Amino acid sequence: NAGVTQTPKFQVLKTGQSMTLQCAQDMNHNSMYWYRQDPGMGLRLIYYSASEGTTDKGEVPNGYNVSRLNKREFSLRLESAAPSQTSVYFCASRRTRGGTDTQYFGPGTRLTVL
Amino acid sequence: QKEVEQDPGPLSVPEGAIVSLNCTYSNSAFQYFMWYRQYSRKGPELLMYTYSSGNKEDGRFTAQVDKSSKYISLFIRDSQPSDSATYLCATQAPGAGSYQLTFGKGTKLSVIP
Repeated sequence: NAGVTQTPKFQVLKTGQSMTLQCAQDMNHNSMYWYRQDPGMGLRLIYYSASEGTTDKGEVPNGYNVSRLNKREFSLRLESAAPSQTSVYFCASRRTRGGTDTQYFGPGTRLTVL
Repeated sequence: QKEVEQDPGPLSVPEGAIVSLNCTYSNSAFQYFMWYRQYSRKGPELLMYTYSSGNKEDGRFTAQVDKSSKYISLFIRDSQPSDSATYLCATQAPGAGSYQLTFGKGTKLSVIP
């Protein structure tokens, strides 16, 4: 049981380049999330997918697109990277059981945009 | 005003000390409250989950919610060096907002042996 996996772990881009961050979970969870974490800003929600086939904007969606490929996979795309998108990106999936709601986070992708 | 405010610290305490971590929130619709722990260069993991006001204890950890003052606390007894991490509070509204969590900025804790 790998939990939530993310690829790549590290990436350096030049301004204007594009890339896709991949996320997969093997826990059969319906809901998945993409966050960014910046010093002094905490975790901010970019997009989420409540279930397969649906996606919704979070707090900071500008400059990003997402695809919920199937129940397991949720990808985040930067079409034209900007230095302001330098951050650590976390994917998460959500389990609700026994009155407790838990989000399980992946290990993160550290992205630098030059 | 951010919906959840948390002092970023850093907070440094000696081993064995009692640690108190706190958050305030502004939205009275929040009914679920969580504490996540994040070790350096790792993803956050759920530590405590509480509903509405009151206390919840799990080993050395106690989560406390006071809805009247919109105040969330996490107490760590007999703190250990392995407790050194960033602690993030999070809240959640029921109903349509239930898919989203609102996080505090996190408090970095160091427990010195």
